[in-house]
Amino acid sequence: TQLLEQSPQFLSIQEGENLTVYCNSSSVFSSLQWYRQEPGEGPVLLVTVVTGGEVKKLKRLTFQFGDARKDSSLHITAAQPGDTGLYLCAGGGGSGNTGKLIFGQGTTLQVKP
Amino acid sequence: DAGVIQSPRHEVTEMGQEVTLRCKPISGHNSLFWYRQTMMRGLELLIYFNNNVPIDDSGMPEDRFSAKMPNASFSTLKIQPSEPRDSAVYFCASSLSSGYNEQFFGPGTRLTVL
Repeated sequence: TQLLEQSPQFLSIQEGENLTVYCNSSSVFSSLQWYRQEPGEGPVLLVTVVTGGEVKKLKRLTFQFGDARKDSSLHITAAQPGDTGLYLCAGGGGSGNTGKLIFGQGTTLQVKP
Repeated sequence: DAGVIQSPRHEVTEMGQEVTLRCKPISGHNSLFWYRQTMMRGLELLIYFNNNVPIDDSGMPEDRFSAKMPNASFSTLKIQPSEPRDSAVYFCASSLSSGYNEQFFGPGTRLTVL
């Protein structure tokens, strides 16, 4: 069974601080996606990484795919209250690619002004 | 271009009643997914379709749940009879199966069963 474990599960920080969220698995994925979900809405895709070691930046957010394509991290620099939400990682194209994604359990981030 | 459309956005019903949730995927997408999200269990995949055909329904909790996709632009998730433990937010998502399986989610239906 493929699993993605996210850590930490909850994070409460002050505006301006930096943070890193981790997403780990024992399985290899052909792609790794990060989503952000705000209260009352569905998850929204932030980024997709597909190459081992790949780094992508989205403003203050930096996403990295592990060299072995089993793990990923999301780093936020100078967090702002607008970054508050649930962050989900999801792996695609694992063994027996069936089109579905394996989601982590999520990291709830609260950024206090 | 319109995103994934779900209706209703909120549903309050009494135990034992039938509930039908509806989803219109993004035009051109050929995979459709139904998820349930709760605080305790997070985001759970219930069932997904590829080219209107159910591929994996192993996440459907029990026989009270059923899903159909009669055509490429419409899907339903039905609960009959509903129970209080079915209270959750139900999401529909669609994707292009030929890509990196990037999914686009609807706004969800918040279901409350009294």
